[in-house]
Amino acid sequence: GIQVEQSPPDLILQEGANSTLRCNFSDSVNNLQWFHQNPWGQLINLFYIPSGTKQNGRLSATTVATERYSLLYISSSQTTDSGVYFCAVGKTSYDKVIFGPGTSLSVIP
Amino acid sequence: DTEVTQTPKHLVMGMTNKKSLKCEQHMGHRAMYWYKQKAKKPPELMFVYSYEKLSINESVPSRFSPECPNSSLLNLHLHALQPEDSALYLCASSQVLRTAHSNYGYTFGSGTRLTVV
Repeated sequence: GIQVEQSPPDLILQEGANSTLRCNFSDSVNNLQWFHQNPWGQLINLFYIPSGTKQNGRLSATTVATERYSLLYISSSQTTDSGVYFCAVGKTSYDKVIFGPGTSLSVIP
Repeated sequence: DTEVTQTPKHLVMGMTNKKSLKCEQHMGHRAMYWYKQKAKKPPELMFVYSYEKLSINESVPSRFSPECPNSSLLNLHLHALQPEDSALYLCASSQVLRTAHSNYGYTFGSGTRLTVV
């Protein structure tokens, strides 16, 4: 099956700093999503981005499908950005979507 | 309506009990999913339903029994669980058909925290 790696595993940021999270995957995919899980367990879909670049406010994401990686950029971080960021990949728009191990982000005031 | 509703939010059950988890969405999504998440781990896929039919069972023990009675509802029936089954159970939904400008991102419910005693 597809292997998913995320880096870094843990990240501590000062409020206002920028960061880049990386997701590497071992096979071609047609489904790639980024999620944020808050400390209460709620998973929020940030981007559906099997290829290309998207932006939503302070967040943006880029997937280079031919090189099998995706990047999530967080600018001007806020304490509410704290939590775990997961990359999830799959072969089709539904079907078996595999989550990476996550990046745990702590933003401190 | 752009959300997935899961009930109950918390559940404590004994190893001989039978209980059910419920998931509901009204976004017209025709794919629905059950995931299990242990503390400090990523969600693990359990079941996928597409057009109300079970399309994927990730070798889940038979003490977990999914049911999709209609396009808006997904249930997970629990029977004779073990303490190691204690976890956060997450339901999600998504579109199925591929169209040019659709977003196939998953929408997750807030989960049911299950404790088996």
